[in-house]
Amino acid sequence: GAVVSQHPSWVICKSGTSVKIECRSLDFQATTMFWYRQFPKQSLMLMATSNEGSKATYEQGVEKDKFLINHASLTLSTLTVTSAHPEDSSFYICSARAGGLNTEAFFGQGTRLTVV
Amino acid sequence: KQEVTQIPAALSVPEGENLVLNCSFTDSAIYNLQWFRQDPGKGLTSLLLIQSSQREQTSGRLNASLDKSSGRSTLYIAASQPGDSATYLCAVMNSGAGSYQLTFGKGTKLSVIP
Repeated sequence: GAVVSQHPSWVICKSGTSVKIECRSLDFQATTMFWYRQFPKQSLMLMATSNEGSKATYEQGVEKDKFLINHASLTLSTLTVTSAHPEDSSFYICSARAGGLNTEAFFGQGTRLTVV
Repeated sequence: KQEVTQIPAALSVPEGENLVLNCSFTDSAIYNLQWFRQDPGKGLTSLLLIQSSQREQTSGRLNASLDKSSGRSTLYIAASQPGDSATYLCAVMNSGAGSYQLTFGKGTKLSVIP
């Protein structure tokens, strides 16, 4: 299957700092990528849809000024958690589809963010 | 709003046993249904994708079925192995409200005992 690479796999940062997470499609181009957040023993919750060359579409309740998404190319989307707080600590996962929007979804390895 | 439920939440079986994981969804307006595996602290690995027009898909020891009209899917794992231990997630891709978005269940945590 297609490969989606996410970096870093884990990060620890101090409160008030910003953290950038990268999501790359290694062997295909992705005009659309998706960012999810996962709490322990919970489902993946869609945060936003990242569109290459345009603004991201955020889900209700997700602060777009806190979670900045940039989809600069067809193979790279970044999520920046700005002014991080301990409650932002979570597991963040990105996803992309190699074909059309209704095709198989492939996921990155996830990023464990811990804010201290 | 689409809701996906997975039962049971956890399952423990001895090695070699066949098992079935269940997934149900409330809105039958879907493009497809996908089963994933998630190991602790890791991302998701796609196992099987069933299009809405299909009834089942097979890959090795895995067989997934889909009954769209009743809003149900099952994942059958034959001859389970300790390496199968993981959390299995079911997700539907909506074609109605929230089109093209994936709605996930909470998963079934499987433990295969040697």
